[in-house]
Amino acid sequence: DAGVIQSPRHEVTEMGQEVTLRCKPISGHNSLFWYRQTMMRGLELLIYFNNNVPIDDSGMPEDRFSAKMPNASFSTLKIQPSEPRDSAVYFCASSFLVGYNEQFFGPGTRLTVL
Amino acid sequence: SQQGEEDPQALSIQEGENATMNCSYKTSINNLQWYRQNSGRGLVHLILIRSNEREKHSGRLRVTLDTSKKSSSLLITASRAADTASYFCATDGDTGRRALTFGSGTRLQVQP
Repeated sequence: DAGVIQSPRHEVTEMGQEVTLRCKPISGHNSLFWYRQTMMRGLELLIYFNNNVPIDDSGMPEDRFSAKMPNASFSTLKIQPSEPRDSAVYFCASSFLVGYNEQFFGPGTRLTVL
Repeated sequence: SQQGEEDPQALSIQEGENATMNCSYKTSINNLQWYRQNSGRGLVHLILIRSNEREKHSGRLRVTLDTSKKSSSLLITASRAADTASYFCATDGDTGRRALTFGSGTRLQVQP
Protein backbone atom coordinates (compact mmCIF):
# COMPACT_ATOMS: atom_id res chain seq x y z
CA ASP A 1 0.00 0.00 0.00
CA ALA A 2 1.28 3.47 -0.86
CA GLY A 3 0.14 4.96 2.42
CA VAL A 4 -1.81 8.18 2.73
CA ILE A 5 -1.26 10.35 -0.31
CA GLN A 6 -1.50 14.12 -0.21
CA SER A 7 -1.22 16.66 -2.97
CA PRO A 8 0.24 19.08 -3.59
CA ARG A 9 3.28 18.73 -1.33
CA HIS A 10 3.95 22.43 -1.47
CA GLU A 11 1.63 25.30 -2.33
CA VAL A 12 2.50 28.97 -2.52
CA THR A 13 -0.35 31.32 -3.20
CA GLU A 14 -1.34 34.90 -2.75
CA MET A 15 -3.76 36.19 -0.20
CA GLY A 16 -7.33 35.96 -1.42
CA GLN A 17 -6.80 32.97 -3.67
CA GLU A 18 -8.61 29.69 -3.29
CA VAL A 19 -6.54 26.73 -2.14
CA THR A 20 -7.54 23.09 -2.44
CA LEU A 21 -5.65 20.36 -0.67
CA ARG A 22 -6.23 16.74 -1.55
CA CYS A 23 -5.95 13.46 0.30
CA LYS A 24 -6.26 9.81 -0.59
CA PRO A 25 -6.52 7.64 2.53
CA ILE A 26 -5.23 4.11 2.85
CA SER A 27 -7.55 1.69 1.14
CA GLY A 28 -9.94 0.11 3.63
CA HIS A 29 -9.60 2.84 6.22
CA ASN A 30 -12.92 4.46 7.03
CA SER A 31 -11.87 7.33 9.28
CA LEU A 32 -10.12 10.36 7.83
CA PHE A 33 -8.64 13.30 9.69
CA TRP A 34 -7.37 16.71 8.65
CA TYR A 35 -4.79 18.39 10.89
CA ARG A 36 -2.91 21.65 10.74
CA GLN A 37 0.55 22.10 12.24
CA THR A 38 2.21 25.40 13.07
CA MET A 39 5.03 26.34 15.39
CA MET A 40 2.74 28.49 17.48
CA ARG A 41 -0.22 26.17 17.86
CA GLY A 42 1.26 22.74 17.31
CA LEU A 43 -0.85 20.01 15.72
CA GLU A 44 -4.55 20.86 15.63
CA LEU A 45 -7.42 18.68 14.46
CA LEU A 46 -9.54 20.52 11.92
CA ILE A 47 -12.18 17.95 10.99
CA TYR A 48 -12.68 14.22 10.80
CA PHE A 49 -14.92 11.89 8.83
CA ASN A 50 -16.25 8.42 9.57
CA ASN A 51 -17.50 6.49 6.55
CA ASN A 52 -17.33 9.70 4.48
CA VAL A 53 -19.57 11.60 6.92
CA PRO A 54 -18.16 14.63 8.78
CA ILE A 55 -18.34 13.87 12.49
CA ASP A 56 -16.60 16.79 14.14
CA ASP A 57 -15.67 20.02 12.41
CA SER A 58 -15.30 22.08 15.56
CA GLY A 59 -11.63 22.59 14.77
CA MET A 60 -12.27 24.31 11.47
CA PRO A 61 -11.09 27.85 12.15
CA GLU A 62 -13.76 29.75 10.26
CA ASP A 63 -16.14 29.64 7.35
CA ARG A 64 -13.31 30.14 4.91
CA PHE A 65 -12.41 26.50 5.52
CA SER A 66 -14.46 23.64 4.14
CA ALA A 67 -13.83 19.92 3.73
CA LYS A 68 -15.51 17.22 1.73
CA MET A 69 -15.24 13.49 1.36
CA PRO A 70 -17.27 12.48 -1.69
CA ASN A 71 -16.15 8.85 -1.49
CA ALA A 72 -14.03 6.52 0.60
CA SER A 73 -10.86 7.19 -1.37
CA PHE A 74 -10.77 10.97 -1.63
CA SER A 75 -11.08 14.07 0.50
CA THR A 76 -10.45 17.76 -0.04
CA LEU A 77 -9.78 20.67 2.27
CA LYS A 78 -10.53 24.04 0.72
CA ILE A 79 -9.62 27.50 1.92
CA GLN A 80 -11.39 30.38 0.23
CA PRO A 81 -10.21 33.10 0.45
CA SER A 82 -6.80 32.26 1.83
CA GLU A 83 -4.99 34.53 4.28
CA PRO A 84 -1.33 34.69 5.38
CA ARG A 85 -2.25 33.28 8.80
CA ASP A 86 -3.38 30.09 7.06
CA SER A 87 0.25 29.31 6.29
CA ALA A 88 1.00 25.95 7.88
CA VAL A 89 1.58 22.31 7.13
CA TYR A 90 -1.69 20.47 6.60
CA PHE A 91 -1.75 16.75 7.29
CA CYS A 92 -4.28 14.15 6.36
CA ALA A 93 -4.44 10.91 8.34
CA SER A 94 -6.58 7.80 8.12
CA SER A 95 -7.42 4.87 10.34
CA PHE A 96 -9.84 2.02 10.78
CA LEU A 97 -13.11 3.04 12.38
CA VAL A 98 -13.21 -0.01 14.60
CA GLY A 99 -10.47 -1.08 16.94
CA TYR A 100 -7.47 0.81 18.18
CA ASN A 101 -7.21 4.22 16.67
CA GLU A 102 -3.71 4.11 15.24
CA GLN A 103 -3.57 6.86 12.67
CA PHE A 104 -1.49 6.83 9.51
CA PHE A 105 -0.33 10.23 8.36
CA GLY A 106 0.38 11.53 4.92
CA PRO A 107 3.51 13.57 4.16
CA GLY A 108 1.65 16.84 4.51
CA THR A 109 1.09 19.89 2.32
CA ARG A 110 3.18 22.93 3.18
CA LEU A 111 1.01 25.95 2.43
CA THR A 112 2.44 29.44 2.18
CA VAL A 113 0.06 32.32 1.68
CA LEU A 114 1.81 35.54 0.73
CA SER B 1 -3.84 24.01 28.24
CA GLN B 2 -3.78 21.15 25.76
CA GLN B 3 -4.65 17.59 26.52
CA GLY B 4 -1.30 15.86 26.25
CA GLU B 5 1.62 18.03 27.23
CA GLU B 6 5.12 16.67 26.82
CA ASP B 7 8.21 17.56 28.71
CA PRO B 8 10.91 18.39 28.21
CA GLN B 9 10.24 20.50 25.16
CA ALA B 10 13.72 19.73 23.90
CA LEU B 11 16.28 17.09 24.80
CA SER B 12 19.83 16.64 23.57
CA ILE B 13 21.78 13.48 24.35
CA GLN B 14 24.73 11.49 23.09
CA GLU B 15 24.37 8.39 20.99
CA GLY B 16 24.05 5.33 23.20
CA GLU B 17 22.36 7.18 26.06
CA ASN B 18 18.75 6.68 27.03
CA ALA B 19 16.12 9.32 26.33
CA THR B 20 13.05 9.78 28.49
CA MET B 21 10.09 11.92 27.53
CA ASN B 22 7.02 12.55 29.62
CA CYS B 23 3.43 13.32 28.76
CA SER B 24 0.61 14.55 30.97
CA TYR B 25 -3.04 14.68 30.04
CA LYS B 26 -6.23 15.92 31.63
CA THR B 27 -9.23 13.73 30.83
CA SER B 28 -10.01 10.03 30.99
CA ILE B 29 -8.67 8.07 28.05
CA ASN B 30 -9.17 4.84 26.18
CA ASN B 31 -5.55 4.66 25.14
CA LEU B 32 -2.46 6.77 24.74
CA GLN B 33 -0.22 6.71 21.71
CA TRP B 34 3.24 7.96 20.90
CA TYR B 35 4.21 9.25 17.48
CA ARG B 36 7.48 10.34 15.93
CA GLN B 37 7.91 13.10 13.39
CA ASN B 38 11.08 13.51 11.42
CA SER B 39 11.76 17.00 10.11
CA GLY B 40 9.56 17.80 7.14
CA ARG B 41 7.64 14.55 7.38
CA GLY B 42 4.32 13.27 8.64
CA LEU B 43 3.86 11.60 12.00
CA VAL B 44 4.59 7.91 12.37
CA HIS B 45 2.88 5.78 14.97
CA LEU B 46 5.30 4.18 17.43
CA ILE B 47 3.34 2.48 20.15
CA LEU B 48 -0.09 2.39 21.76
CA ILE B 49 -0.81 1.63 25.39
CA ARG B 50 -4.32 0.93 26.57
CA SER B 51 -5.76 2.52 29.68
CA ASN B 52 -5.70 -0.81 31.53
CA GLU B 53 -2.02 -1.39 30.78
CA ARG B 54 0.84 -0.03 32.85
CA GLU B 55 3.85 -0.77 30.69
CA LYS B 56 4.56 -1.80 27.14
CA HIS B 57 7.70 -2.58 25.18
CA SER B 58 8.50 -2.46 21.51
CA GLY B 59 12.12 -2.95 20.53
CA ARG B 60 14.11 -0.14 22.13
CA LEU B 61 10.93 1.64 23.21
CA ARG B 62 9.37 1.36 26.63
CA VAL B 63 6.15 3.16 27.48
CA THR B 64 4.58 3.48 30.88
CA LEU B 65 1.15 4.76 31.78
CA ASP B 66 -0.09 5.95 35.14
CA THR B 67 -3.78 6.72 34.85
CA SER B 68 -3.99 7.87 38.47
CA LYS B 69 -1.50 10.62 37.68
CA LYS B 70 -2.69 11.03 34.09
CA SER B 71 0.83 10.70 32.82
CA SER B 72 2.91 8.57 30.49
CA SER B 73 6.57 8.27 29.70
CA LEU B 74 8.44 7.12 26.62
CA LEU B 75 11.90 5.69 27.08
CA ILE B 76 14.20 5.14 24.13
CA THR B 77 17.14 2.98 25.11
CA ALA B 78 20.57 3.00 23.47
CA SER B 79 19.65 5.98 21.33
CA ARG B 80 20.96 6.41 17.80
CA ALA B 81 21.45 9.47 15.65
CA ALA B 82 18.52 8.24 13.56
CA ASP B 83 16.25 8.69 16.59
CA THR B 84 16.59 12.45 16.19
CA ALA B 85 13.02 13.65 15.72
CA SER B 86 10.07 15.19 17.53
CA TYR B 87 7.99 12.87 19.66
CA PHE B 88 4.33 13.44 20.41
CA CYS B 89 1.89 11.78 22.73
CA ALA B 90 -1.72 11.58 21.65
CA THR B 91 -4.83 10.70 23.58
CA ASP B 92 -8.39 9.89 22.73
CA GLY B 93 -11.08 10.48 25.29
CA ASP B 94 -13.27 7.68 26.55
CA THR B 95 -16.34 9.18 24.87
CA GLY B 96 -16.02 7.15 21.68
CA ARG B 97 -14.76 10.14 19.76
CA ARG B 98 -12.12 8.88 17.34
CA ALA B 99 -10.14 12.07 17.09
CA LEU B 100 -6.79 12.27 18.83
CA THR B 101 -5.48 15.23 20.77
CA PHE B 102 -1.77 15.72 20.35
CA GLY B 103 0.64 17.32 22.74
CA SER B 104 3.17 19.94 21.79
CA GLY B 105 5.97 17.42 21.40
CA THR B 106 9.51 16.86 22.59
CA ARG B 107 12.33 17.61 20.15
CA LEU B 108 15.01 14.99 20.62
CA GLN B 109 18.51 15.53 19.27
CA VAL B 110 20.87 12.57 19.43
CA GLN B 111 24.46 13.60 18.89
CA PRO B 112 26.63 11.03 17.08
